[in-house]
Amino acid sequence: DQQVKQNSPSLSVQEGRISILNCDYTNSMFDYFLWYKKYPAEGPTFLISISSIKDKNEDGRFTVFLNKSAKHLSLHIVPSQPGDSAVYFCAASAKEVTGGGNKLTFGTGTQLKVEL
Amino acid sequence: EAQVTQNPRYLITVTGKKLTVTCSQNMNHEYMSWYRQDPGLGLRQIYYSMNVEVTDKGDVPEGYKVSRKEKRNFPLILESPSPNQTSLYFCASSPAWVRSYEQYFGPGTRLTVT
Repeated sequence: DQQVKQNSPSLSVQEGRISILNCDYTNSMFDYFLWYKKYPAEGPTFLISISSIKDKNEDGRFTVFLNKSAKHLSLHIVPSQPGDSAVYFCAASAKEVTGGGNKLTFGTGTQLKVEL
Repeated sequence: EAQVTQNPRYLITVTGKKLTVTCSQNMNHEYMSWYRQDPGLGLRQIYYSMNVEVTDKGDVPEGYKVSRKEKRNFPLILESPSPNQTSLYFCASSPAWVRSYEQYFGPGTRLTVT
């Protein structure tokens, strides 16, 4: 059961335009969401996050939007640059009922290609 | 340089031959975790550790063991590897188990079990 879904395995965008990457989740207990970027032969690196008490978080060219009622979040990259070409993973976290933990549930990733 | 290191980066082995993948972080992080990445499944957590001598299962712990004897190291042990453990493995660390802290990932270990 894939609790975090990224339905687009790939996306191609022209340099300078907006990239929109989408993510849907099913677990209503998720209350913290993150985006990670991954280049080939490297580990994922943190990009931006959002708490469920917000509906938008912005960091430079990157903005994450959260629609709790639709259980949907999106990452906007404006303007897109060739260096943004990477795999983007959406991840979600839920407060554990017992103990602690910082478990992340990841989506399957979207390969973004920014073309010149 | 602050980093998470993993060794080896690539490993081809045979079914049943015990192996260990090492993970080390130099950031004095309390929290460490192991994930595996498989096509169409994203990254799935195997085990995590909130501090020295404190470990717990993630989503897919079967066939794996871990230990946390020192804060900086979190090795992943496959006692009897099988072909279904062929995967890309990532170690990650975080300053604390508080969810608002980002996780820092190592470069990955590609394991093939024949």
